[in-house]
Amino acid sequence: QVHLVESGGGLVKPGGTLRLSCVASGFTFSDHDMSWVRQAPGKGLEWISYISRSGTPIYYADSVKGRLTISRDNGKNSLYLNINSLRAEDTAVYYCAVVRFLEVFDYWGQGTLVTVSS
Amino acid sequence: QVVLTQSPSASASLGASVKLTCTLSSGHSTYAIAWHQHQPEKGPRFLMKVNSDGSRIKGDGIPDRFSGSSSGAERYLTISSLQSEDEADYYCQTWGTDTWVFGGGTKLTVL
Repeated sequence: QVHLVESGGGLVKPGGTLRLSCVASGFTFSDHDMSWVRQAPGKGLEWISYISRSGTPIYYADSVKGRLTISRDNGKNSLYLNINSLRAEDTAVYYCAVVRFLEVFDYWGQGTLVTVSS
Repeated sequence: QVVLTQSPSASASLGASVKLTCTLSSGHSTYAIAWHQHQPEKGPRFLMKVNSDGSRIKGDGIPDRFSGSSSGAERYLTISSLQSEDEADYYCQTWGTDTWVFGGGTKLTVL
């Protein structure tokens, strides 16, 4: 059974940095591409980053390019997202998801909440 | 850049059927899409992929009550025998070269 567990969210001041983690189980992590998707309060889902099974290529949404770094450690079945220069508009629940055939997100985690506020 | 358009809300009675629509922007009518269900306080759940010819691939454990179809630039999700737990936000999603796009979502209320 596929299981994705995000962690690392919390309350952060504007301008701060945060590292989110996603631990995967129930499947061969190294065989699958991964993404991060977020949902701001009262808003819809927004794709923000993708990483292939090998670690390259990597893609970012234009809205976050330059402030996010996605990475993975296949030996630890883990996916990461570093966010710097945090802004109020980064306040959201962040989900990790398995990407199938470069197309659909076919498994999702339960999310971790990031709140950016002074 | 492809854009997906969904109605913000829909409602139907318990036990009835409802058909949700996702419209692809002009020039993108051949795109496949995916449907995701997002219940409150939970992570989203992949329901199915729907191709332009109406063929579909469902996610693991998705009941037969959920079906998908296509017509032109529209992609549909039909939920029959509505249950209270079907009350959720439903998002369509598609993909391009190095980018993934979601529709704005439809909030389904089960009356």
